[in-house]
Amino acid sequence: DPKIIQKPKYLVAVTGSEKILICEQYLGHNAMYWYRQSAKKPLEFMFSYSYQKLMDNQTASSRFQPQSSKKNHLDLQITALKPDDSATYFCASSQTGGFSNERLFFGHGTKLSVL
Amino acid sequence: SQLAEENSWALSVHEGESVTVNCSYKTSITALQWYRQKSGKGPAQLILIRSNEREKRNGRLRATLDTSSQSSSLSITATRCEDTAVYFCATQPHNNNAPRFGAGTKLSVKP
Repeated sequence: DPKIIQKPKYLVAVTGSEKILICEQYLGHNAMYWYRQSAKKPLEFMFSYSYQKLMDNQTASSRFQPQSSKKNHLDLQITALKPDDSATYFCASSQTGGFSNERLFFGHGTKLSVL
Repeated sequence: SQLAEENSWALSVHEGESVTVNCSYKTSITALQWYRQKSGKGPAQLILIRSNEREKRNGRLRATLDTSSQSSSLSITATRCEDTAVYFCATQPHNNNAPRFGAGTKLSVKP
């Protein structure tokens, strides 16, 4: 059974629309992350949360907004979608949230295509 | 910004051969991690090596760390077709920052 669930697995959107990527983890972890991977860029860090608080952010655009309704949820809302947002978005989690030398566990990703 | 990078974009070996993937990084670190990503899946951690360690093993995998040259290597012995994947190194420059990944080395193991 996958312990990190990302929904949907595939997502097609039109330019200018808004989508929410869902992530739930059942590992009992306190930290969650979003990374993005595309053909143009390597695995790129976006956000990290610990105990539902933003810890680290390397996403310049405010069009990307993480949402943490529960400790084991970290959704990613993307507004005003652009074709350049096309990528696979990976959610990850780790144990303590201190980020110090912690192993990350990744979900299988949501592949987003923006037309 | 990319704080770590693998030195080869792609490598190809035959089953049973050994292979080494190299990584260099730009800042001082507390640890370096190696991950593997198979097609269609998320990355999975292979080894974590701390800055006070020079070598770490995990089965057929051996990671080394040279903090003076800011480099690391991951060696795989007796490769198998299922080792075909992209291999990433990841570093955490400060304890409160999430790991940053290199661009990855695509390893193909052929029968």
